[in-house]
Amino acid sequence: AQTVTQSQPEMSVQEAETVTLSCTYDTSESDYYLFWYKQPPSRQMILVIRQEAYKQQNATENRFSVNFQKAAKSFSLKISDSQLGDAAMYFCAYRSHETGANNLFFGTGTRLTVIP
Amino acid sequence: DGGITQSPKYLFRKEGQNVTLSCEQNLNHDAMYWYRQDPGQGLRLIYYSQIVNDFQKGDIAEGYSVSREKKESFPLTVTSAQKNPTAFYLCASSRGPGGSWEDTQYFGPGTRLTVL
Repeated sequence: AQTVTQSQPEMSVQEAETVTLSCTYDTSESDYYLFWYKQPPSRQMILVIRQEAYKQQNATENRFSVNFQKAAKSFSLKISDSQLGDAAMYFCAYRSHETGANNLFFGTGTRLTVIP
Repeated sequence: DGGITQSPKYLFRKEGQNVTLSCEQNLNHDAMYWYRQDPGQGLRLIYYSQIVNDFQKGDIAEGYSVSREKKESFPLTVTSAQKNPTAFYLCASSRGPGGSWEDTQYFGPGTRLTVL
């Protein structure tokens, strides 16, 4: 099974500053999907951003962007202009490109604190 | 207003009892999933269903059962055989069974199960 590693259990950032959350994964597949989900105190998992492995261009969604390094199997999330509402657990997840391979493999999460 | 609903939000169970967690979606998604989340861990897949009247075991199916009689509904039963059922349970759905960019999983708000 694929493994996803988030080596930063906790991170903090000053409001309006930029923070980068790290994620690495292990796979033998050449095509796959990567995701960042946010889990606020309400505990609902919210999709933040997604990336398809064969696409070279890094995904961007407003203040959220990724740095996808396929050879290094790295998928970091950059949050710009951090806001108080960004405080949450962030999970990196991997999914195979194969049809029927539904399983999302999750990392253990990074707790982000935003300091006013 | 499309989305995924889970009920109840909090559930208490005595040891030896079976309990059923509800998950409903009105997104017209074919695939539905159940995940378990424990403190300090990412989500782990319990069961998934790609289509009505069909479902498959995930990584931690022992002690759980599901049914998929309707497209909109995918209830999870936690049986007395589950040794450590206290956890947060998340239901998700996706348009299709994976393999496509559009098959991203979206999550419900979750149910917190506590065994007394």
